[in-house]
Amino acid sequence: DARVTQTPRHKVTEMGQEVTMRCQPILGHNTVFWYRQTMMQGLELLAYFRNRAPLDDSGMPKDRFSAEMPDATLATLKIQPSEPRDSAVYFCASDTIGQANTEAFFGQGTRLTVV
Amino acid sequence: AQSVTQLGSHVSVSEGALVLLRCNYSSSVPPYLFWYVQYPNQGLQLLLKYTSAATLVKGINGFEAEFKKSETSFHLTKPSAHMRDAAEYFCAVSSMDSSYKLIFGSGTRLLVRP
Repeated sequence: DARVTQTPRHKVTEMGQEVTMRCQPILGHNTVFWYRQTMMQGLELLAYFRNRAPLDDSGMPKDRFSAEMPDATLATLKIQPSEPRDSAVYFCASDTIGQANTEAFFGQGTRLTVV
Repeated sequence: AQSVTQLGSHVSVSEGALVLLRCNYSSSVPPYLFWYVQYPNQGLQLLLKYTSAATLVKGINGFEAEFKKSETSFHLTKPSAHMRDAAEYFCAVSSMDSSYKLIFGSGTRLLVRP
């Protein structure tokens, strides 16, 4: 059963600490998205990769967020330093070929709480 | 630019009643539209998608949606609600720039009363 795997599922950290979230996309998918979900803003796209190349990270606060894809089986989203306003659920999603008519498959998310 | 609007942040129905969740889209080109469901503490799961092949799209769990160009709508329906349908439902449109990212509506929470 192919699925997107995210770790950790939950993370509680203190303000100022570094947070790293990991995502294993479905094998063979060439597009990876990072979304953030909050009550106020809903689902927002933070960044996406195609064939491991970062194509757009305009949705991320550049000074503290970074996204990488060191290999085809791992995508990471890092926040340094973390702030309470970063508290949200972060979703990774992957897509077979990243076209308009193909759907994204979502992981179960990482629930981040910054205190 | 593409966008979707979901009318009603909460919809409450009785078990066995018709479910109707509304979604209107805005797009300058023929859109690709999706409905996703999110159960508590879970990720989003695809219910169905419209990719211009047929205007009435059948999905999983007995849901279907009809694309109506004249009304710019893509409403989600199910004839008879089950308790297990209680979840949040998101309508989305595919962006037509090179990202093809999904642009989501604000979501509708479906409550099913016994």
